Amino acid sequence: GENVEQHPSTLSVQEGDSAVIKCTYSDSASNYFPWYKQELGKGPQLIIDIRSNVGEKKDQRIAVTLNKTAKHFSLHITETQPEDSAVYFCASGWGKSTFGDGTTLTVKP
Amino acid sequence: NAGVTQTPKFQVLKTGQSMTLQCAQDMNHEYMSWYRQDPGMGLRLIHYSVGAGITDQGEVPNGYNVSRSTTEDFPLRLLSAAPSQTSVYFCASSPGQDNQPQHFGDGTRLSIL
Repeated sequence: GENVEQHPSTLSVQEGDSAVIKCTYSDSASNYFPWYKQELGKGPQLIIDIRSNVGEKKDQRIAVTLNKTAKHFSLHITETQPEDSAVYFCASGWGKSTFGDGTTLTVKP
Repeated sequence: NAGVTQTPKFQVLKTGQSMTLQCAQDMNHEYMSWYRQDPGMGLRLIHYSVGAGITDQGEVPNGYNVSRSTTEDFPLRLLSAAPSQTSVYFCASSPGQDNQPQHFGDGTRLSIL
């Protein structure tokens, strides 16, 4: 089955800096890659997703890039703010996704 | 529009007890899934359903049962609770269409003593 690896497991940045989280996947047939943000005591919420026919997608301060040849995709957050502090999960697939182990992002004011 | 609702939010059980975690969605989604989240291990799929009357096993199904009698509800049953089942359980739903994200409930925090 699909395997998703996510790095780093923890990331600390200063407010205003950029943050990058990287994921790799194993199944070359995978074609949908969502990113979720999980705040304390809540369920994961979608922040951005990308489909395999697209190399990059942006939504304000958040962007995701996909390299199908190398089977990796990344989340980029620019101009980080304290409210960006949370756990971020990458995933592969839809309906019943395979998740990475999560990255705890801390944005220091 | 409540989205995905999970009950209870917290539960403590003794080893060997049984219980049912409830999940309901009001978005008419065809797909529903149960995950467990353990520290440092992300979310692991327990069981999923692609529609009423259809269920299948995920990555970690042992010790859990599910049924899907209606589109809205997808309960998860622990038959004989074990300490290894101490975890946070999340239910999710998504439309039955390609490449659509899942919508998650806020979880049930379960402790087995």
